[in-house]
Amino acid sequence: GENVEQHPSTLSVQEGDSAVIKCTYSDSASNYFPWYKQELGKRPQLIIDIRSNVGEKKDQRIAVTLNKTAKHFSLHITETQPEDSAVYFCASISGGYNKLIFGAGTRLAVHP
Amino acid sequence: GAGVSQSPRYKVAKRGQDVALRCDPISGHVSLFWYQQALGQGPEFLTYFQNEAQLDKSGLPSDRFFAERPEGSVSTLKIQRTQQEDSAVYLCASSLSDRGSTDTQYFGPGTRLTVL
Repeated sequence: GENVEQHPSTLSVQEGDSAVIKCTYSDSASNYFPWYKQELGKRPQLIIDIRSNVGEKKDQRIAVTLNKTAKHFSLHITETQPEDSAVYFCASISGGYNKLIFGAGTRLAVHP
Repeated sequence: GAGVSQSPRYKVAKRGQDVALRCDPISGHVSLFWYQQALGQGPEFLTYFQNEAQLDKSGLPSDRFFAERPEGSVSTLKIQRTQQEDSAVYLCASSLSDRGSTDTQYFGPGTRLTVL
């Protein structure tokens, strides 16, 4: 079935450094790729998304890139801050009803 | 405005008990999804409603799981004869449009189910 792989599973950076999380997907028909941030005990919250008609999207310190040929997409966070510490999930759309297929998550720790 | 809400936030059940989990989507949202999130994992799809119609239940793990959305707004996920492997956070999400769109899915806070 459809699958999304996410790496790394944990990422530790110093405040101010950049963080990169990478995902690959299997469903070549997928055309929507959201990223969610989930703090401990909280709901997943959308931080950025990209559709297959663009290769890159930026929102302040956050950017996402998409390579449809290789079927991979990445999240880039620049100038990391301690409040960026959370679990980040990538996802892709699958099937006619647009269910989300999630990666296993990346636990990001930003150290002051 | 109000986001997606879920109740109860925490539920402890003895093995074999039935439980009912409620989701109140954002008002006017056509699509409603249920996901199951095991500890340390990403959410996994359970079922999808477009208004009151359950169009996809391919992710429901067994016939002990049942979901409904009778009036096209509030949804209930029912688990019969709970087992320990049902312990997880159950997330509800809603989006504005129907299956033809890629609208943002907004998640509720989840119900953490613990089966003893």
